[in-house]
Amino acid sequence: KAGVTQTPRYLIKTRGQQVTLSCSPISGHRSVSWYQQTPGQGLQFLFEYFSETQRNKGNFPGRFSGRQFSNSRSEMNVSTLELGDSALYLCASSPGGGVTDTQYFGPGTRLTVL
Amino acid sequence: AQSVTQLGSHVSVSEGALVLLRCNYSSSVPPYLFWYVQYPNQGLQLLLKYTTGATLVKGINGFEAEFKKSETSFHLTKPSAHMSDAAEYFCAVSDWGGSQGNLIFGKGTKLSVKP
Repeated sequence: KAGVTQTPRYLIKTRGQQVTLSCSPISGHRSVSWYQQTPGQGLQFLFEYFSETQRNKGNFPGRFSGRQFSNSRSEMNVSTLELGDSALYLCASSPGGGVTDTQYFGPGTRLTVL
Repeated sequence: AQSVTQLGSHVSVSEGALVLLRCNYSSSVPPYLFWYVQYPNQGLQLLLKYTTGATLVKGINGFEAEFKKSETSFHLTKPSAHMSDAAEYFCAVSDWGGSQGNLIFGKGTKLSVKP
């Protein structure tokens, strides 16, 4: 099976712009989670989608949003970009998002905000 | 609420030496624990996980971890380090509080392997 794919791999934006990142999960996986990774804060959970519904959300401002499509592909959007949004954004998929499920991670999208 | 603490942000070992990466967790419910590895410019790859059953868990690439409830620990070990083990390692616990299995990660431990 193909792994989790994320596009684009790299992005450079300027403050105030908005950005959309895309994630395609492993075939058959219905849960998609997003994480932000920074040197200072480490890996932090953004949100999780299952069957097109957001089931869980981390402690991030409303500028961070996401959605999931009927084929389980997911996008996340960040509006009004700030310098502090520069990070590696990782997407992970799992069959059902249960507490014992293994999450399979994509390679990430590295976002740089200038 | 669950949390994870990884002792040592950097660990350096010689090739062939024992690798020991420490992880302690805090959880008021049965913890489900994971170790992931991240190579430069890549995503995270699962090494092993503990859910229930045997407390000694074997993973890929010769790694293993032992769940010790009395010590609230889940340390990762490998008997003999290889140069290819140089990477960053993350311990994580499933977040029950979020009602689904999203992960709470430790800060990570960067492993260096000296020839």
